[in-house]
Amino acid sequence: AQKVTQAQTEISVVEKEDVTLDCVYETRDTTYYLFWYKQPPSGELVFLIRRNSFDEQNEISGRYSWNFQKSTSSFNFTITASQVVDSAVYFCALSDHNYGQNFVFGPGTRLSVLP
Amino acid sequence: DSGVTQTPKHLITATGQRVTLRCSPRSGDLSVYWYQQSLDQGLQFLIQYYNGEERAKGNILERFSAQQFPDLHSELNLSSLELGDSALYFCASSVGQGNSPLHFGNGTRLTVT
Repeated sequence: AQKVTQAQTEISVVEKEDVTLDCVYETRDTTYYLFWYKQPPSGELVFLIRRNSFDEQNEISGRYSWNFQKSTSSFNFTITASQVVDSAVYFCALSDHNYGQNFVFGPGTRLSVLP
Repeated sequence: DSGVTQTPKHLITATGQRVTLRCSPRSGDLSVYWYQQSLDQGLQFLIQYYNGEERAKGNILERFSAQQFPDLHSELNLSSLELGDSALYFCASSVGQGNSPLHFGNGTRLTVT
């Protein structure tokens, strides 16, 4: 069975600090996909990034970066120079290759960025 | 704007009642997912449809049912409502391939009194 663990329930940082959100996954599939979503206080769920299991290249988008390591089954998310607007719940998710079944979300990490 | 439309945005009803939540997926998306998010909880997968057929089932209660229509919109029916059913119900859609991200609607907030 597929599983996503986000061990950090809540994190608080002061604005401009860097913060890393951890995500560890379990799957028996060799082909799978990993995702990060953001849920700000307004409640909507916003897709941030997708990563394929065969592409371990790290990705950077502005202040956001993602580190995918198959050897440790981790897909961590780093926010550099955090801002108050980054305050949200962040979900890591895992999908298999079969029609998107078993799209499993982790429990989420609540990030609070204090001014 | 994700392109996924959920109605209504808010719903307040009494215990024992029945409600229907509606979802219109993004244009071109064949797959619809329903999730339940209780207060300060994660996303609990309920059910997935692909092109009109049920594809996967999560921890969906027997009092709940769903379907996807030929025009690909989906409805989630919740009956014999209990206080514990109060939650945010999200619909998401995707093209239906494993590498497709889910695009979420803004959710329907259900309050059972």
